[in-house]
Amino acid sequence: AQKVTQAQTEISVVEKEDVTLDCVYETRDTTYYLFWYKQPPSGELVFLIRRNSFDEQNEISGRYSWNFQKSTSSFNFTITASQVVDSAVYFCALKRNSGGYQKVTFGTGTKLQVIP
Amino acid sequence: DAGVTQSPTHLIKTRGQQVTLRCSPKSGHDTVSWYQQALGQGPQFIFQYYEEEERQRGNFPDRFSGHQFPNYSSELNVNALLLGDSALYLCASTWGTPGNTIYFGEGSWLTVV
Repeated sequence: AQKVTQAQTEISVVEKEDVTLDCVYETRDTTYYLFWYKQPPSGELVFLIRRNSFDEQNEISGRYSWNFQKSTSSFNFTITASQVVDSAVYFCALKRNSGGYQKVTFGTGTKLQVIP
Repeated sequence: DAGVTQSPTHLIKTRGQQVTLRCSPKSGHDTVSWYQQALGQGPQFIFQYYEEEERQRGNFPDRFSGHQFPNYSSELNVNALLLGDSALYLCASTWGTPGNTIYFGEGSWLTVV
């Protein structure tokens, strides 16, 4: 069975601060995919980043960066110089690398509030 | 390029009724999945459709059923609605290999009274 844990329920930061969202996952698969999605109040899940389990290189994309540690099953996400528009619920998610199966397992989300 | 579109946006149903939600996948996508998201929770996988067949199913009762049409659009049907079915229902689409990005629509907010 797959499981994603986001221990942080809510985080508040002041604008321009950096913020890291934690994600720990469980899977028996040797290869898999990890995602971060953002959900504003409108409801749509907006894709942010994707990482393959066989590529542990950490990257930066604009103000977003992520730290994938396979040894500790963690996939943390950092927003640099946060902005009010970053306020949303952020979900970490896990998907098997298995043929046509597209089931995504989500965490319970972390609500981020960026205060002006 | 239109993304994943869902209808209706909001609806209210009475307990025991039936509801049909609709989804048009992103252009070029042939695989559609449905998720239920209760308030304050993460989305939960209901099922996935590919080539007009249900390919994978989550832990949901048979009251939840679906369909995929030749143009890849999809419907989610829920029979005998319960108060606990009140949630945001999200449609997702993708294509090809397992690693491709999965795109979500804005969802249908269902309230059962």
